[in-house]
Amino acid sequence: GAGVSQSPSNKVTEKGKDVELRCDPISGHTALYWYRQSLGQGLEFLIYFQGNSAPDKSGLPSDRFSAERTGGSVSTLTIQRTQQEDSAVYLCASSLAVSGPYNEQFFGPGTRLTVL
Amino acid sequence: TQLLEQSPQFLSIQEGENLTVYCNSSSVFSSLQWYRQEPGEGPVLLVTVVTGGEVKKLKRLTFQFGDARKDSSLHITAAQPGDTGLYLCAGHWNSGGSNYKLTFGKGTLLTVNP
Repeated sequence: GAGVSQSPSNKVTEKGKDVELRCDPISGHTALYWYRQSLGQGLEFLIYFQGNSAPDKSGLPSDRFSAERTGGSVSTLTIQRTQQEDSAVYLCASSLAVSGPYNEQFFGPGTRLTVL
Repeated sequence: TQLLEQSPQFLSIQEGENLTVYCNSSSVFSSLQWYRQEPGEGPVLLVTVVTGGEVKKLKRLTFQFGDARKDSSLHITAAQPGDTGLYLCAGHWNSGGSNYKLTFGKGTLLTVNP
């Protein structure tokens, strides 16, 4: 498809387990973003990539969270030793460029993570 | 940290009514965007406003950016059930080279009843 895709769409895991979330951005988009959306909390910025490098990781909540991007395309967000407070919808977005006020981010449908 | 306050948080109205959603900040944004999100999907961009006092229209939706670029509003005329969804405002600012980062409000959940 032409849009941003994410997998899995839903993930239920037990506390303490590791999870890996995947994002396939729109082809040709150099910038990729990860956000977390908790109930009633809006979207929280986690990290962004320009190509394969992540100039800003300041939004990652703890060192249990990491992300990588390979080939300037697919990105994975890994959460180690999951906690119940990690339960949320994780959204990925991509854009053609990073800067500029009209920069439009295209979002995927998200991965709903539930930690039991 | 720049914060965006959206109000109201929830809004339930009848088809045909008008409504306004507000987005306010203590910071000056270089631009502000409005998104709409439906259940199980990611947000979709509706509009970007850049200039203070700017007004943009998208069919029955009217978006306004405050003169000081610290606030914005979304007005829907004659709401339809298809307008139901979560409306999010998001701001860009240009300090420290962080012009890529979007700060989102918590959203307004709109329900339009037939």
